[in-house]
Amino acid sequence: GESVGLHLPTLSVQEGDNSIINCAYSNSASDYFIWYKQESGKGPQFIIDIRSNMDKRQGQRVTVLLNKTVKHLSLQIAATQPGDSAVYFCAEINSGGSNYKLTFGKGTLLTVNP
Amino acid sequence: EPEVTQTPSHQVTQMGQEVILRCVPISNHLYFYWYRQILGQKVEFLVSFYNNEISEKSEIFDDQFSVERPDGSNFTLKIRSTKLEDSAMYFCASSERRTYEQYFGPGTRLTVT
Repeated sequence: GESVGLHLPTLSVQEGDNSIINCAYSNSASDYFIWYKQESGKGPQFIIDIRSNMDKRQGQRVTVLLNKTVKHLSLQIAATQPGDSAVYFCAEINSGGSNYKLTFGKGTLLTVNP
Repeated sequence: EPEVTQTPSHQVTQMGQEVILRCVPISNHLYFYWYRQILGQKVEFLVSFYNNEISEKSEIFDDQFSVERPDGSNFTLKIRSTKLEDSAMYFCASSERRTYEQYFGPGTRLTVT
């Protein structure tokens, strides 16, 4: 549900559980998608990216899935830890544009309960 | 590890005043960006800068905004006459080349009263 005041979707999980954060993107011409993590008081931090010609990409404890048919992106975090608590943004890029302008989604607040 | 730094961390100003937000990008980076984030909302692109000129800007970046690289290390965002709706967190980012791998600073929180 939504978090009053922040107007962000929220996800609350128990430590050790897997988390799935979803994102809908808007531009079918976008060819790169990136997940950013933003901890309180800090700037966005790059987590993982995926090209539009891929369906899945795995990193350390994170997996990104891309469904171009429905323009949907998800971030899966395995064995979620308290340090994963943050706002997670997806971003898209159309590399054919004049510069690499990131277009961010609204964000999801992930809270990990110990 | 090199990082983008921004000063001040918090700036309070009165409506109509000019503000300058400062950023020191990572030293070997050539592309610079400003983004802003109104409280609780998504991060929005403002402007990108390369080779001492603006390469792209959004509709938000109107005539009240300007950017400058006054020396070899600083990158600044100036708002000439601040409005209440300019209150936001402003993030500077930089990248080594024209890429989405942009490194963000910690942000400057601008409060216009």
